[in-house]
Amino acid sequence: QKEVEQDPGPLSVPEGAIVSLNCTYSNSAFQYFMWYRQYSRKGPELLMYTYSSGNKEDGRFTAQVDKSSKYISLFIRDSQPSDSATYLCATYTGRRALTFGSGTRLQVQP
Amino acid sequence: DAGVTQSPTHLIKTRGQHVTLRCSPISGHKSVSWYQQVLGQGPQFIFQYYEKEERGRGNFPDRFSARQFPNYSSELNVNALLLGDSALYLCASSSQLQGGRYNEQFFGPGTRLTVL
Repeated sequence: QKEVEQDPGPLSVPEGAIVSLNCTYSNSAFQYFMWYRQYSRKGPELLMYTYSSGNKEDGRFTAQVDKSSKYISLFIRDSQPSDSATYLCATYTGRRALTFGSGTRLQVQP
Repeated sequence: DAGVTQSPTHLIKTRGQHVTLRCSPISGHKSVSWYQQVLGQGPQFIFQYYEKEERGRGNFPDRFSARQFPNYSSELNVNALLLGDSALYLCASSSQLQGGRYNEQFFGPGTRLTVL
């Protein structure tokens, strides 16, 4: 079983829609969860970072961690064409490295 | 402030050749990590260096090696290239060693390596 699993999509939504991106993780000991955005042919950039469980909001973005089900989510409100990118969930497993999901490609149609 | 920089941007090599990729971390950051991202996949951890010492290694063969210099820049070397080594190689820097607590990693734009 992979440590972090993510639906690869692609996901296509109209501009203004609410987007929900999801990942599951395998180890209940994981504490740190991140969402990265990666534009085509660019490096990942950190969007949101949460520790343990609960919600965290930053503008149009909300990150949610449900430790009981080992489920992490990123919600994007009022999606814009500029949000079109690949979204990577990641966790820090304590072994010096981030472990990433495979990424979900999002296309927001104008 | 300059972010993480990597060179070259693109590289084309043939099977069996050797390649060296370079990374300069954000000023003041002492930790550099290398990741490999195959098309359609998330990045996979290769190495972490801190204060010029290897502090972590992922599940990659010995053909992959790296080092960190006194100015904290880093090189990733790959010998005897295989077609499967074609990927985006990402460098990430952080101010601290990744240990029990997570320290934010900042990624560079990557070097795209194509092996023919």
